[in-house]
Amino acid sequence: NAGVMQNPRHLVRRRGQEARLRCSPVKGHSHVYWYRQLPEEGLKFMVYLQKENIIDESGMPKERFSAEFPKEGPSILRIQQVVRGDSAAYFCASSGQGNEAFFGQGTRLTVV
Amino acid sequence: RKEVEQDPGPFNVPEGATVAFNCTYSNSASQSFFWYRQDCRKEPKLLMSVYSSGNEDGRFTAQLNRASQYISLLIRDSKLSDSATYLCVVTPGTALIFGKGTTLSVSS
Repeated sequence: NAGVMQNPRHLVRRRGQEARLRCSPVKGHSHVYWYRQLPEEGLKFMVYLQKENIIDESGMPKERFSAEFPKEGPSILRIQQVVRGDSAAYFCASSGQGNEAFFGQGTRLTVV
Repeated sequence: RKEVEQDPGPFNVPEGATVAFNCTYSNSASQSFFWYRQDCRKEPKLLMSVYSSGNEDGRFTAQLNRASQYISLLIRDSKLSDSATYLCVVTPGTALIFGKGTTLSVSS
């Protein structure tokens, strides 16, 4: 029973490049959440998606950030033109009909 | 008022101690409540759901007070392995909203 899979686990990007973070939810889960955790800080909600729909993106910066959860394939969090302040751990979680969410191991993005 | 507030701690306790964490939430329409545990630089893991009637899982007891809009977590007979950050989670709508967490350090 595979849990939430995130890849890559570590990602290094130069300023101005694009970062693509992937999340495969638990099999059968149709709800995906993305969170960002800065060093020494708590988890910050970014976006909540169901298959092919963005339900709540109130925590996502208006510029450079986008997310999708297509009918087939993983959810993608995309950060364009990365800056040093984007360096953080990005966690994805998925849930089914119940609200209990299970997290992936995260992608640690470093912008140099 | 922040959506979910927790005392950041740290709580430093000896093995065998009983420790309690509280968490307050601002949205009275919140429906589901959870406690998660996060170890250093790792992903959060579900510790337990919190039910209106209160619930217990071994050394852990969770309670919900809707009137005062807070939830609590009680840990009895603390173990070294309980050292972690405990995150309160509330669902006021579509998203899971996390508190910043309370850090617990159990020493021998």
